[in-house]
Amino acid sequence: DTAVSQTPKYLVTQMGNDKSIKCEQNLGHDTMYWYKQDSKKFLKIMFSYNNKELIINETVPNRFSPKSPDKAHLNLHINSLELGDSAVYFCASTADGGGYTFGSGTRLTVV
Amino acid sequence: GENVEQHPSTLSVQEGDSAVIKCTYSDSASNYFPWYKQELGKGPQLIIDIRSNVGEKKDQRIAVTLNKTAKHFSLHITETQPEDSAVYFCAASNNNYGQNFVFGPGTRLSVLP
Repeated sequence: DTAVSQTPKYLVTQMGNDKSIKCEQNLGHDTMYWYKQDSKKFLKIMFSYNNKELIINETVPNRFSPKSPDKAHLNLHINSLELGDSAVYFCASTADGGGYTFGSGTRLTVV
Repeated sequence: GENVEQHPSTLSVQEGDSAVIKCTYSDSASNYFPWYKQELGKGPQLIIDIRSNVGEKKDQRIAVTLNKTAKHFSLHITETQPEDSAVYFCAASNNNYGQNFVFGPGTRLSVLP
């Protein structure tokens, strides 16, 4: 059983489109995150939710909107996609006091 | 806020040699320091972690050391193997509610056969 699963794994779309990435964890963790990894491999936090409540909202364009319907799911919706949004997006989860468990990533390519 | 630096950015070693990656952090409130290994096309995986009440931790060929006074911590891999080739990330966290890990920029390790 995959602990943190995100779909899709690859996403190629045109500029201006709206797309969503889904994430689910079956670890019973309370906190979930979205990270963006750029072409230089740098990992930067975007959002954090604890038990469906937004905890961290870094300086991210408001075209990015996270949604947590329950504590096992954290989805990411992106409006009006731009070329600079191309990156790998990772979902992660953690129990308080523990390390992250990452999903396998979604490679978003905007053309 | 926390700032984590990591060196070197790339590291090549011969199989069987040791590899050392060093990180420094800025926030003295940070008390949890995990290390992640990211293989090509995969998400980062936790390989070892250390908390601020411990100076050293070892797990088979991997060890981590922490110097709280100097605010630096290091990853040591002994007897390196080709499968150790990956990008390694250090991170620092204050381990509180809604914790936010700040990651270093990563080290690409290549183990040459």
